[in-house]
Amino acid sequence: SQKIEQNSEALNIQEGKTATLTCNYTNYSPAYLQWYRQDPGRGPVFLLLIRENEKEKRKERLKVTFDTTLKQSLFHITASQPADSATYLCALGMVWDMRFGAGTRLTVKP
Amino acid sequence: GAVVSQHPSRVICKSGTSVKIECRSLDFQATTMFWYRQFPKKSLMLMATSNEGSKATYEQGVEKDKFLINHASLTLSTLTVTSAHPEDSSFYICSATLSGRDTEAFFGQGTRLTVV
Repeated sequence: SQKIEQNSEALNIQEGKTATLTCNYTNYSPAYLQWYRQDPGRGPVFLLLIRENEKEKRKERLKVTFDTTLKQSLFHITASQPADSATYLCALGMVWDMRFGAGTRLTVKP
Repeated sequence: GAVVSQHPSRVICKSGTSVKIECRSLDFQATTMFWYRQFPKKSLMLMATSNEGSKATYEQGVEKDKFLINHASLTLSTLTVTSAHPEDSSFYICSATLSGRDTEAFFGQGTRLTVV
């Protein structure tokens, strides 16, 4: 069966450092992979999408990589700020069949 | 653009009663909306796909008679939890997509349902 694993439930880093979150998947070959941010008690907010033929995508302080051989995506936040503290979800596939990881809760300490 | 509004954000109901959750696309038309359920520290689980003007498609294991979905217009889908039980307590979230863009979803704020 398809599995999506985000490497850790929680990640704590110091302000200014780079946060790196991992999303691994098995038994799946998605054409698209997305990353969402979710704040407590709120719905997810779309951040970035990367296609299977793209190795890397950037948006401001965010960077996503997609390695279809390793079946892994890395999500980086550079120069992290306390306001970046949230849960980050990876999601695979098209919207009608989108599968989510359980998320990694990132805390950026001042 | 692409704002999805969900209402209410929180609701408490008694066991055995029904509760309705609304999901509206505010600035676009959504022929398809999606309903998810999320448990604490767990991933979002797709419950059903709501199609305007037709019956919803439910995921395996989701009771369609318990979770009634109505998508009567291009901007509104509703989820009614019927005869609610404490185990129905959860965070329910809807999403919609822009026509022709099937790769990113726009989510509502979510509804925290507590059945007492």
